[in-house]
Formats: sequence, C-alpha cells, structure tokens
Amino acid sequence: QSVLTQPPSASGTPGQRVTISCSGGSSNIGSNTVNWYQQLPGTAPKLLIYSSNQRPSGVPDRFSGSKSGTSASLAISGLQSEDEADYYCAAWDDSLNGPVFGGGTKLTVL
Amino acid sequence: QVQLQESGPGLVKPSETLSLTCTVSGGSISSDYWSWIRQPPGKGLEWIGYIYYSGSTNYNPSLKSRVTISVDTSKKQFSLKLSSVTAADTAVYYCANKIGSYSARFDYWGQGTLVTVSS
Repeated sequence: QSVLTQPPSASGTPGQRVTISCSGGSSNIGSNTVNWYQQLPGTAPKLLIYSSNQRPSGVPDRFSGSKSGTSASLAISGLQSEDEADYYCAAWDDSLNGPVFGGGTKLTVL
Repeated sequence: QVQLQESGPGLVKPSETLSLTCTVSGGSISSDYWSWIRQPPGKGLEWIGYIYYSGSTNYNPSLKSRVTISVDTSKKQFSLKLSSVTAADTAVYYCANKIGSYSARFDYWGQGTLVTVSS
C-alpha cells in the first residue's frame, strides 16, 4: 500500500482535459513539494513536473501541476494518444525521512 | 546531459545477495544524490535508498537491514547490494539522480534492469 494515494485508472478522449489526483498527509504533500513522473510502456519513468508546478525543459505546456494542502493534481489538456502511460506522484516524507511514491495511475486515451 | 546505465546479474538465487552497479556519464558524480528505485512486475515504484557523493547514505526503513549503497567517484559509479533476497525482491531496478536533499525529484533515470530471484 502506497503512502500517496492515486486513482488506479483514468481515461479521456483525444483533445480532452483530464486530471489525476494524488492524496497524502501532513508529513509529505502537506509540507513538501510534489513531483510527477510519466512512464510509457516498457520504459523508465520520466520527470514531468517538479516543485509541484514546474515543467522541465522539453515537457509540453499541456502538462500542469498544482498542490493544495495535502493533495496534488496533474492536469493534461489537449489529450493525445501518446499520453497513454502510467503516471506517478512523489514527495519527500518527513516521517519516513525519504521519498514516497503514489501507486500510479494508468491513463487510457480512448 | 547525464546518462545512467545499470549493470549486474539478471538472476539471483534466494538467500543470496543482489549486486548492481550504475555508471554515470555526461556529468559529474560529485553532486546530487545517487539513488536506487525498484518496480516489481506490474506494480508501482519503491525508493530503496540513496548516497551523496561524499558517502553519506539514506535507506528506506523497510529495506535498511539488507541494503548497502556505495560510491566510487573515480569510476563515476555507485552500487547497490541487497542481501538475503527472496522472490519478493524480483523487480526492475532503476538508478537515478535525486536533486536536492529533502526532495523526491529524480531528473535522470537509467533504463532499468530486471532482476529475477529464483533458484
């Protein structure tokens, strides 16, 4: 059971906007920034969002992140077929004294 | 751009020690925190531990008694040893660099290597 809670699945049609939630607690999301990773089938995870809402160079602005209290969200606008992947949230946990991940959300583009 | 490459045996017998090495290229190992993360087949990501280039380490409490991470800055490599393995340790093992001390930001990842624990 993961420390951060994500829905196991999400879906949308091309062009649609979808959001993926990540719920935690006061020792992780509540006091630290959130990072999001995209894992395409058969590949290593790739950093998508860092510091809750910052995009690394090369990540399209269709991807955005936000955080409020002990929850965070990843939004994908203008959904494309190549966005079909697993998405993971991660944050530092002060109690564990280490990084923790969500269980992952499998995004299907219908 | 930093590149990471894992290497090591793909098959380990139960009760033995899993040993993997990550080679860093395209950047300096004398910065950042060098990490190991694993992913059991069909499951999510689990942080194993990390080492700072100076040698200080931090391990996941659930694995701490079995994990050792070391660094060789001259070879630009860091290594993972996981002792007394069982089938539950079968996973794809990734090395990655962690940016910042109290952070879960991993900028660069290796391609991952599947380690199967089986007799």
